[in-house]
Amino acid sequence: QSVLTQPPSVSAAPGQKVTISCSGSSSNIGNNYVSWYQQLPGTAPKLLIYDNNKRPSGIPDRFSGSKSGTSATLGITGLQTGDEADYYCGTWDSSLTAGEVFGGGTKLTVL
Amino acid sequence: EVQLVQSGAEVKKPGESLRISCKGSGYSFTSYWISWVRQMPGKGLEWMGRIDPSDSYTNYSPSFQGHVTISADKSISTAYLQWSSLKASDTAMYYCARYALNLDYWGQGTLVTVSS
Repeated sequence: QSVLTQPPSVSAAPGQKVTISCSGSSSNIGNNYVSWYQQLPGTAPKLLIYDNNKRPSGIPDRFSGSKSGTSATLGITGLQTGDEADYYCGTWDSSLTAGEVFGGGTKLTVL
Repeated sequence: EVQLVQSGAEVKKPGESLRISCKGSGYSFTSYWISWVRQMPGKGLEWMGRIDPSDSYTNYSPSFQGHVTISADKSISTAYLQWSSLKASDTAMYYCARYALNLDYWGQGTLVTVSS
């Protein structure tokens, strides 16, 4: 059971848009920055979005992030087959068991 | 270029000890924490703990506290993850990652297989 809640899977056609939600609480998303990670099959995770909505150098602007209250959302427009991957949200949890927490991951299928 | 290079895959028997490594380059190793993340086969990411290489201060997830030890040798820019007695349930991919209020650079992963 992950601390952050994501849908297990989403799918859309090439060229379309998709959103992935991430729900948490006041001890994590509500009071800390959210990051998103992309894990292509057989590879290590890669930072996609940080500080809720910023993109590291080299990440195309087709990827966007937002946060409202205790939830965050990753958006991907102009879907490409190369976007098929697992996507994870992550943030710091400031509760008594402080530490980095992740969502369970969302498998994106580009039909 | 920032890089984290991890040691190679390991195959061990239950009860054996193991230490895997993560060598940082391309940045000031003592300026950023290093986190360790577990990914069991077909599962999601789990944060295990982190270390500040400048003074070796550590934080552990309660799920891993007492089961693993995280250490670092700043003289060679290397962090370690160690087990004293492996179990079959430790079979997983283990990643190190640089912590900068997010996990901005990741190692390539070390696959640990524990089987009799």
